[in-house]
Amino acid sequence: ILNVEQSPQSLHVQEGDSTNFTCSFPSSNFYALHWYRWETAKSPEALFVMTLNGDEKKKGRISATLNTKEGYSYLYIKGSQPEDSATYLCAFAGTGGTSYGKLTFGQGTILTVHP
Amino acid sequence: GAVVSQHPSRVICKSGTSVKIECRSLDFQATTMFWYRQFPKQSLMLMATSNEGSKATYEQGVEKDKFLINHASLTLSTLTVTSAHPEDSSFYICSARPGTNNSPLHFGNGTRLTVT
Repeated sequence: ILNVEQSPQSLHVQEGDSTNFTCSFPSSNFYALHWYRWETAKSPEALFVMTLNGDEKKKGRISATLNTKEGYSYLYIKGSQPEDSATYLCAFAGTGGTSYGKLTFGQGTILTVHP
Repeated sequence: GAVVSQHPSRVICKSGTSVKIECRSLDFQATTMFWYRQFPKQSLMLMATSNEGSKATYEQGVEKDKFLINHASLTLSTLTVTSAHPEDSSFYICSARPGTNNSPLHFGNGTRLTVT
């Protein structure tokens, strides 16, 4: 069983604060690391797919980094807004055997941004 | 683009009945679709990979006869929970990817199943 852990489990910040959270995953047989945003009553929406060690990706105020050698990724949100409130999921895709390309999800970080 | 539609969004059924959940890719063809289940306060757990025109691949611990998957066309996969019991009550969500294994998943809105 692959271990994908996210921390913290939940986070409350004030509007305008910057925040970040962590996804840790196996450091072997790495294929890709995905980040998704899941708002209440909606479907999860892809933020990033990261494949290379040292990758940094950015989408507006949200960015992510990737370290495949040590098995972690950080997601950063700059100047949080109430509409950023959501559950942020990371998912690991490995290369091992029948697991190729399949995603193993973390439990998510629930972000609440207070006005 | 890349919209996935899942139906129904919510279903309540009696113990012993079967429930069918549909997952459609609306604007792309999906040879593979993925069915996940989420228990309260837990992560999305992959149940099975649905393959168009062939048998689904089930994850360890998932009963094939309990969760029947059919992927008869490039835009439709169905999950049937057979002889449902209260312990099958859960959130089921499907996904598909329009490109390669490196492209992101596109998800349906999920189905909340309650078995009474």
